[in-house]
Amino acid sequence: NAGVTQTPKFQVLKTGQSMTLQCAQDMNHNSMYWYRQDPGMGLRLIYYSASEGTTDKGEVPNGYNVSRLNKREFSLRLESAAPSQTSVYFCASHNRNSNQPQHFGDGTRLSIL
Amino acid sequence: AQSVTQLGSHVSVSEGALVLLRCNYSSSVPPYLFWYVQYPNQGLQLLLKYTTGATLVKGINGFEAEFKKSETSFHLTKPSAHMSDAAEYFCAVRLSNFGNEKLTFGTGTRLTIIP
Repeated sequence: NAGVTQTPKFQVLKTGQSMTLQCAQDMNHNSMYWYRQDPGMGLRLIYYSASEGTTDKGEVPNGYNVSRLNKREFSLRLESAAPSQTSVYFCASHNRNSNQPQHFGDGTRLSIL
Repeated sequence: AQSVTQLGSHVSVSEGALVLLRCNYSSSVPPYLFWYVQYPNQGLQLLLKYTTGATLVKGINGFEAEFKKSETSFHLTKPSAHMSDAAEYFCAVRLSNFGNEKLTFGTGTRLTIIP
């Protein structure tokens, strides 16, 4: 009963390096989301995928790309990391067209030096 | 469109005292409302939700919240605080019409329990 699994849990990058954050869910949800959490700002939506094969920008998409690999997996890529992208990243999933809540992973803590 | 305001980024209460965390929202259609809790270095866990029906909703760990449409509020309460309640709490809103199901979060309230 894993729910939403994120890898890695921690990562340190140098400015300009690239990285992909992985997310997988085993609840057969069709919608998936990437958020970033910064102190005093709550969670802000980066990108989301309402269903397999579709992705859309959220509130703060600049500097990121996503791939909905299949129904289970939704990855977030930083092509050229910047210190401003130091944050905690959360993946979530949800059953589209329902009143059910989003389920969250445990997060990836990313530091960019 | 929707938005959430959580009044008080930090709240301290004594163990055994009433916990009250405030949340006000705005929404262009009837909202779905959620409270999530985040313990240190962990993800977000759902405490409770309001979608339709009874406006007083009960959640886990003795928490409850009341949806008040006239006040556009969804405040979180617990009659008697416990040390294990120390965490950060987030209120979130989404529109109830299917097809636009993005969550909008408040900025969070960090709850400290004084022994």
